[in-house]
Formats: sequence, structure tokens, C-alpha cells
Amino acid sequence: GAVVSQHPSWVICKSGTSVKIECRSLDFQATTMFWYRQFPKQSLMLMATSNEGSKATYEQGVEKDKFLINHASLTLSTLTVTSAHPEDSSFYICSASGWTGNTFGSGTRLTVV
Amino acid sequence: DQQVKQNSPSLSVQEGRISILNCDYTNSMFDYFLWYKKYPAEGPTFLISISSIKDKNEDGRFTVFLNKSAKHLSLHIVPSQPGDSAVYFCAASGRSRGSTLGRLYFGRGTQLTVWP
Repeated sequence: GAVVSQHPSWVICKSGTSVKIECRSLDFQATTMFWYRQFPKQSLMLMATSNEGSKATYEQGVEKDKFLINHASLTLSTLTVTSAHPEDSSFYICSASGWTGNTFGSGTRLTVV
Repeated sequence: DQQVKQNSPSLSVQEGRISILNCDYTNSMFDYFLWYKKYPAEGPTFLISISSIKDKNEDGRFTVFLNKSAKHLSLHIVPSQPGDSAVYFCAASGRSRGSTLGRLYFGRGTQLTVWP
């Protein structure tokens, strides 16, 4: 079946630094990539939607200059959390939309100290 | 505005019995519904789905029921097994004008615990 590889699975970084999260669709082309964030005991909240080769569309309240999304190819999308702060600590998950529907990555636990 | 709601944060069921997880939605433009299972520190994995043209879909021990008039769906697991213990998310998508195909709206999840 369709597989989405997400790396890293967990990362700890210092406040003020940037972190890049990568999602690759391994055996299918992802026309659209969704980036979600989940806080403890909350639902997965969509942050942004990106289509290959075009700018990402951000949900209301999500800072596009803070959460940089790059979808350079049909198999790779990256989310960069710039100047991370402790309140950015969360679980970030990508979801690739292809012919099989939505396939989720394994998630990245980000802790900003 | 939570368009998909799972009002029970947790459910505890004995092994062998039926687990019923409930989900309500508010957007009448939703036409496709999914259930995901999620373990801690992992991404959700797809479990079962149902299109709005159906009212029931069955896959092994898992059955999803959809009541469009009540904007309600439920997931039945029978018989429940300890390995089913996880957080279950209900999700919905729609094809209304302006919506993004493939974008999912999630509930907050229900923690299912199946005890021996």
C-alpha cells in the first residue's frame, strides 16, 4: 500500500532555532500534501495545504513566515519551523493525497526547550 | 469551530464485547467519512470509511454506520480485542465549492481501552 515516510520522528531543539520536517511519498505521487498539528488530547488541526510547485495555503491563525512549507516535487514536502519557541512544541503530521486517498506520515514530536 | 465532534473522550470495554464509538458532524456538505486508529507518537492509520451514498460499511470486525439525517456516524468493533486499544479519530471530507479535495476535518478522538 501507499507509504509516507516522515522524518525525524522526534526532535528537541533550543528556542530560537529552526527545525525541518520532511515527508516523502515512497510509492506514489502526492499531488497535495497536508500538514497537521496535534496538541495533547486535541484533534489534528490542519495547518496548511500545499500542491506541488505552488505556494502553500495556510489556515487562519497559522503564520506562514513561521511555518515554511516547500513542496518541490510530487514525492517530497518539507515543513520548517523557524525561530521555534516552546509553544511550538507539538506533534506534527503530514498527509499525502494521492490515488489511494490520504496517507499519513508517522508524525514528528517536536519539543522546544 | 469544531465541525466533527467526538463527545466521548474515552471508552472502556471488556474483551469480546462490542465497542461503539460515536461521531457527530455539523457540515451537511461532508460526503465522505473515515475512521482512523492512532497509537501514541505515531501517525493515524486508516481503518474504515463510508460514502454518504451508503448507510453501512463492514470490514471484518469493524462496521461503520452513517445516519445522514442525524449527521451521526458510529464505529462498531465486535468482538473487541486488547490490541484494539488506541485512540480512534473520526474524520470527514467534502467536495463543496471551495473545499480542498482530500482535506480532512477531525474529531478530538476517543481513547478506547479493551481490558481482558
